[in-house]
Amino acid sequence: GAGVSQSPSNKVTEKGKDVELRCDPISGHTALYWYRQSLGQGLEFLIYFQGNSAPDKSGLPSDRFSAERTGGSVSTLTIQRTQQEDSAVYLCASSPVAGGKWNEQFFGPGTRLTVL
Amino acid sequence: GDSVTQMEGPVTLSEEAFLTINCTYTATGYPSLFWYVQYPGEGLQLLLKATKADDKGSNKGFEATYRKETTSFHLEKGSVQVSDSAVYFCALHGSSNTGKLIFGQGTTLQVKP
Repeated sequence: GAGVSQSPSNKVTEKGKDVELRCDPISGHTALYWYRQSLGQGLEFLIYFQGNSAPDKSGLPSDRFSAERTGGSVSTLTIQRTQQEDSAVYLCASSPVAGGKWNEQFFGPGTRLTVL
Repeated sequence: GDSVTQMEGPVTLSEEAFLTINCTYTATGYPSLFWYVQYPGEGLQLLLKATKADDKGSNKGFEATYRKETTSFHLEKGSVQVSDSAVYFCALHGSSNTGKLIFGQGTTLQVKP
């Protein structure tokens, strides 16, 4: 079946512009996660959705970052007034049961964001 | 807070060599432990997992044993292949009840024929 998809696969933007990154999780997966993979910082958790609500936003690095999820499905990560340090690969993952410690997370291919 | 420390790479091995990638963790309680792999140009995939002390996870010839006494989850394979070249991430489900993963820095493995 279809896996997690993300779009765009690559995004180049100028400093100060806003960007939107999209994630389509596996159908029926109630848990959705955003992570960021950058040089020097490794893989960092950003935000967790259970259905349409986000009980854990502790990883968002600043108030320029926000995310929403609609219909318990698609999620959008928005970065306002992008900075060069935002350059990274943004990964989305979904899991069939919210909050389960043993449930595998299925990752998308990522969106590579470059801020010039 | 919860954290994972992996040996730094890159690790370069010849085909059929023995592989060990060290991973240690700091966490409260009894976290679940994972190894994820990222092949070139592909997304992260779960390689194996262990959910309690002394559990051994295994997959594709790779093994890792959950050692609570040493807070370790080292990845091993007896005979690596060129196709094993990838980046390997150790991770844990920490003390939060959200299921979020805490990752190590990743270790790049290159296997030469």
